[in-house]
Amino acid sequence: KNQVEQSPQSLIILEGKNCTLQCNYTVSPFSNLRWYKQDTGRGPVSLTIMTFSENTKSNGRYTATLDADTKQSSLHITASQLSDSASYICVVSATPYGGSQGNLIFGKGTKLSVKP
Amino acid sequence: NAGVTQTPKFRILKIGQSMTLQCAQDMNHNYMYWYRQDPGMGLKLIYYSVGAGITDKGEVPNGYNVSRSTTEDFPLRLELAAPSQTSVYFCASRFGTDVLKPQHFGDGTRLSIL
Repeated sequence: KNQVEQSPQSLIILEGKNCTLQCNYTVSPFSNLRWYKQDTGRGPVSLTIMTFSENTKSNGRYTATLDADTKQSSLHITASQLSDSASYICVVSATPYGGSQGNLIFGKGTKLSVKP
Repeated sequence: NAGVTQTPKFRILKIGQSMTLQCAQDMNHNYMYWYRQDPGMGLKLIYYSVGAGITDKGEVPNGYNVSRSTTEDFPLRLELAAPSQTSVYFCASRFGTDVLKPQHFGDGTRLSIL
């Protein structure tokens, strides 16, 4: 069964600190993996999208890594800010290029709280 | 540029009532999607559309209907509302056939069925 598991479920860090969120998946066939940020009461916003051939992708202070062999991804946040407080959702696509539905499997998210 | 707009933002329904959740996008995206997000769970696909006049079922379509008469609008209809449909509903859109293009989400409709 296609599944995406995220850890930890929640995390509290102090402003200015770094943190790493984990995503393990059992999705086949694998097409791409994306990370979304979801602020409270808002819709998800795309941070990064990676294919199996990419192992690192950055978006400002956010750096995502992908190990397609072990089926693991991580999202590293550097020098956290209060505005980083949100849920971070790992999403894996099982559809090859050209698929319309996208067959996206969403993780449950990691809720990050950044405290001053 | 408004992006994806969902209305209403909040709604309370009684069991058995019907309603339509509205979704409009102004980015000329051909693909549109409806998801539901239950507390502590990942988003689940309800219906999707690859263009005007074309819709298809997702993972959890029972109790819902959609239509796509224009590129811009993709309303979701709930018939005979049930408590199990209490959820946050998100509409999303994407441009083109390249699945590497990100989906753009609206801010959701929070629906309670009592």
